[in-house]
Amino acid sequence: AQTVTQSQPEMSVQEAETVTLSCTYDTSESNYYLFWYKQPPSRQMILVIRQEAYKQQNATENRFSVNFQKAAKSFSLKISDSQLGDTAMYFCAFMKHGGNTPLVFGKGTRLSVIA
Amino acid sequence: EAEVAQSPRYKITEKSQAVAFWCDPISGHATLYWYRQILGQGPELLVQFQDESVVDDSQLPKDRFSAERLKGVDSTLKIQPAELGDSAMYLCASSFHYQETQYFGPGTRLLVL
Repeated sequence: AQTVTQSQPEMSVQEAETVTLSCTYDTSESNYYLFWYKQPPSRQMILVIRQEAYKQQNATENRFSVNFQKAAKSFSLKISDSQLGDTAMYFCAFMKHGGNTPLVFGKGTRLSVIA
Repeated sequence: EAEVAQSPRYKITEKSQAVAFWCDPISGHATLYWYRQILGQGPELLVQFQDESVVDDSQLPKDRFSAERLKGVDSTLKIQPAELGDSAMYLCASSFHYQETQYFGPGTRLLVL
């Protein structure tokens, strides 16, 4: 079974600074997908970024980028120029390639952006 | 922008009562998921539908939980009888295909007293 570990329960960052959220996972699969989802307070979960394991290039979405280290089974999220609206729970998630497989989530990291 | 709809947003019930949650996925999305999120945890899958068929309900407590998606569009999740430990956020998500990105609804927060 796959597991996802987020070792930082809470983090804080000053507005306009850069922060990195850590995620490691355990799997015997060679092909899979990794995701970062954001869940703002009292609002719905939204996709931040998606990475296919077969792609060596790290995914980026505006101020959000990942550092995908397949051999180390590490998938960290970097948020540049942090904004107050980035305050949220961030969940790292794994999905095996092929077949009807669910998302497996980590326990989340609560990020607070401070003015 | 199309969104996943869920209702109610909040539900308070007493132990042993029946509760039901409704989800309307994004139009055209064949795959629908129900997740349970306990406070401080990540979501965990309860049941997955492909069109009207259940493809994974291995984590659904079938003695008290049931789910249906009769016409392959909207879905209902029912708990009968509710127990104190069922207090959680119930999230619905949908995707165009089972390997595609999942889009989440706002969730139903259930409190069982």
